[in-house]
Amino acid sequence: GAVVSQHPSWVICKSGTSVKIECRSLDFQATTMFWYRQFPKQSLMLMATSNEGSKATYEQGVEKDKFLINHASLTLSTLTVTSAHPEDSSFYICSAEQGQSYEQYFGPGTRLTVT
Amino acid sequence: QQQVKQSPQSLIVQKGGISIINCAYENTAFDYFPWYQQFPGKGPALLIAIRPDVSEKKEGRFTISFNKSAKQFSLHIMDSQPGDSATYFCAASNTPPGGNNRLAFGKGNQVVVIP
Repeated sequence: GAVVSQHPSWVICKSGTSVKIECRSLDFQATTMFWYRQFPKQSLMLMATSNEGSKATYEQGVEKDKFLINHASLTLSTLTVTSAHPEDSSFYICSAEQGQSYEQYFGPGTRLTVT
Repeated sequence: QQQVKQSPQSLIVQKGGISIINCAYENTAFDYFPWYQQFPGKGPALLIAIRPDVSEKKEGRFTISFNKSAKQFSLHIMDSQPGDSATYFCAASNTPPGGNNRLAFGKGNQVVVIP
């Protein structure tokens, strides 16, 4: 149980284009999902907290107009990187919180490369 | 400001040995302490978590020891296997009622188990 999927697993896009990443909880409902960014050999950096049906809460220093988050249902959250630039290249990982357990289950990650 | 500090940065263990990773935290309001395992190119996987009301929790070969007064907790991997070679992250959070469990992650420890 507690499986989280992400799509796509990797994407290459040209500078200036937008990319959408999907995060789904497959076997449980997630009121809260989180989006992280991870650079090579570094820790996870929380970008935003996403609650179903409401606006995402962004961490300090994260541009909300650049990283658009939508949490339309209890099993789906999306992250759209708008007008992507090479510095946005990174490993993006989502997680979903399972009910009242506070346990977070992570997706497999999406490798974004902006050329 | 690093809210959770891990040590050592990397660890090499012989197969069958015990791997021990330590974490220290500052925020006394933290009440949830999970450990995650991450393989290259994959999302983190929840290994085991503990709350401050117990001093130790064991699941299979993985044990968390928790010292509330010292504000430290550690992960012990018994009978370490080459398949345990991965990066391990500790995390901590103050679990608010209703969810939104924002985790603070340590920098990670790379564990290598040699045959």
